[in-house]
Amino acid sequence: EIVLTQSPGTLSLSPGEGATLSCRASQSVSSNYLAWYQQKPGQAPRLLIYDASSRATGIPDRFSGSGSGTDFTLTISRLEPEDFAVYFCKQYASSLYTFGQGTKLEIK
Amino acid sequence: QVQLVQSGAELQKPGASVKVSCKTSGYTFIEYYIHWVRQAPGQGLEWVGWINPRSGATHYPQRFQGRVTMTRDTSISTAYMKLSNLRSDDTAVFYCARGSSSGWYHWGQGTLVTVSP
Repeated sequence: EIVLTQSPGTLSLSPGEGATLSCRASQSVSSNYLAWYQQKPGQAPRLLIYDASSRATGIPDRFSGSGSGTDFTLTISRLEPEDFAVYFCKQYASSLYTFGQGTKLEIK
Repeated sequence: QVQLVQSGAELQKPGASVKVSCKTSGYTFIEYYIHWVRQAPGQGLEWVGWINPRSGATHYPQRFQGRVTMTRDTSISTAYMKLSNLRSDDTAVFYCARGSSSGWYHWGQGTLVTVSP
């Protein structure tokens, strides 16, 4: 099973700042089959990025994904108030899908 | 538009079983896998498994094997997840999601399953 470790656990920033979230895999994620999701309280997750760097339909271009192998990053430039939420990475390279434990992005 | 609508909240006793439904619309049901994900209160996301609605084939991670059963009824475009021998730590929100090669865009609204004596 591929274990995904996200850091930091909590990130405190102000609107307008940039955010960098990390997702590290215990083994290489083949074909960069890694996705990022945003989740707000009481809501289902929302797809942001798939295949490590492809932005999902309707997602603002301030969200971008990068990385390969075992190290992946979600970058949010110019934080908007609605961006404060929990973010999860997910790998789908293995037949056993796994999620990271999440990064909470909170308003400073 | 694509919609996944799940059944309502459940309260079950330890040792019992629960069956959650996920009724889909707005697309051809058999063309996309359905995945199930669990989220315990205040915790992260945990993948429970998938079902191929076309063939009925399923795949579960080892931690759920023997306790989870996923089925589907193609006549009503609905997928089901049954979890047996419930324990208190199964208390969680369960989501269904439509799988695709470009990510899981469409999710159900979630079903809260509470396990309590």
